Amino acid sequence: AQKVTQAQTEISVVEKEDVTLDCVYETRDTTYYLFWYKQPPSGELVFLIRRNSFDEQNEISGRYSWNFQKSTSSFNFTITASQVVDSAVYFCALSDPSSTLGRLYFGRGTQLTVWP
Amino acid sequence: NAGVMQNPRHLVRRRGQEARLRCSPMKGHSHVYWYRQLPEEGLKFMVYLQKENIIDESGMPKERFSAEFPKEGPSILRIQQVVRGDSAAYFCASSPPADRNGGYTFGSGTRLTVV
Repeated sequence: AQKVTQAQTEISVVEKEDVTLDCVYETRDTTYYLFWYKQPPSGELVFLIRRNSFDEQNEISGRYSWNFQKSTSSFNFTITASQVVDSAVYFCALSDPSSTLGRLYFGRGTQLTVWP
Repeated sequence: NAGVMQNPRHLVRRRGQEARLRCSPMKGHSHVYWYRQLPEEGLKFMVYLQKENIIDESGMPKERFSAEFPKEGPSILRIQQVVRGDSAAYFCASSPPADRNGGYTFGSGTRLTVV
C-alpha cells in the first residue's frame, strides 16, 4: 500500500534561515509520481511540484529545491532564505500505482512558521 | 481560464441536515476527484468520477455520502444527516483525460461545520 510520512509536525525558523521539510514514502510500484503542495492560512492548496519516479535529478525553482533519492525513498523539500510568506502547511503526496486512477496519498503535513 | 470552482466556501449545517457541496471542474477537464481534510490531518481520497460515471468510490464512507458528476453541471458531493464528525474541509480537483497521474488542480475547498 502507498504511504507517505512527514515526520516533522511543526517547524519554526526565523526569516532568512534555510529549512528542509522531510518526506519519506513507501510503495511497491516502480512507476509513480511524487508531489508537494502548499496550504497557506487562507486554506487553498497550491501545487508546487510533480516528480516522476524515473527522474532523480534534483530540481531548483527560485528559493525552492527538491532532493529526490530513490535509494532512501525520500523526496525532501528545501526553502532557502525563508520568508514570512512561506508560513504554511506543506504536504507531500504519492500517486496511486495504477495510472488510470490518479489517486493521491498525502502525508499529514508539516506546519512551517517563519518568524520575522 | 477559470480554475476549479467550489461553492460554497463555507457551509454550516445543523446535525441531521443535508449538505451539498458543488465543484465545477476546469474547462476541458472531465475527471473529478473529491478529498476530505479532517482537522490536523492530510487529505484523504474519497471518490473519483468521470462524466456520468463513478470510477472509484473506495474512499467514501459507506453511509450518508454520495457523489455525482452529471453530463451537464457541476459535480455534487452530498452528505445526508450530517454529524459533528463530518466537519472538515472538502476539496475537489479536476484533470484532463490525458493526465491522470495526479496532475490535477485543486479548488479552494468547502469548509463544512456541523453544529
